[in-house]
Amino acid sequence: AQKITQTQPGMFVQEKEAVTLDCTYDTSDPSYGLFWYKQPSSGEMIFLIYQGSYDQQNATEGRYSLNFQKARKSANLVISASQLGDSAMYFCAMREGGNSGYSTLTFGKGTMLLVSP
Amino acid sequence: EAQVTQNPRYLITVTGKKLTVTCSQNMNHEYMSWYRQDPGLGLRQIYYSMNVEVTDKGDVPEGYKVSRKEKRNFPLILESPSPNQTSLYFCASRSTHRGLFTNQPQHFGDGTRLSIL
Repeated sequence: AQKITQTQPGMFVQEKEAVTLDCTYDTSDPSYGLFWYKQPSSGEMIFLIYQGSYDQQNATEGRYSLNFQKARKSANLVISASQLGDSAMYFCAMREGGNSGYSTLTFGKGTMLLVSP
Repeated sequence: EAQVTQNPRYLITVTGKKLTVTCSQNMNHEYMSWYRQDPGLGLRQIYYSMNVEVTDKGDVPEGYKVSRKEKRNFPLILESPSPNQTSLYFCASRSTHRGLFTNQPQHFGDGTRLSIL
């Protein structure tokens, strides 16, 4: 079974609108972290936002926020006021394993976001 | 500047000709890993290393070798490259400080585009 599922291969949004990118995950470990990365057409991987399984509040970083619904095992990325520069591939990823420090990061297949003027 | 440096950025080569992709980080990170990215598959881990002289297989290790003789370097070796190893490769590193592991994002290199003819 896939550990990270991103069901939207592609999304379109108009500039200045908000957009939600879906991510569901599968784990039986009570301790885990969820990450979102952005990959523009130039190829580099840019870390956007993090949510820990024990965090009481949803994570926010500027225009990025994470709609974390633990019972549903979802961690959707919300981008407010989209900009043309937000056009990119977005990856959701999860790390399990408590405080071992050594567990690996598992990625979803990504969602391509296109922002139009 | 904290960074992960991969070389080369682009390489076109032929089947069977041994090649090495170098990776170096200047953040004194214990954990390093290699991923390959293919369309529709997201990022899949090839190998990872928890510290010097400690390496382990990821999800897709066949056809690859790695070594970790120094903390800062983690080269990826393709002894006999084949066309199905044509891909975009990423090296990444992160800290494994206990108690903070869940919120430590991986720092990625800029990627290496390999084409095996």
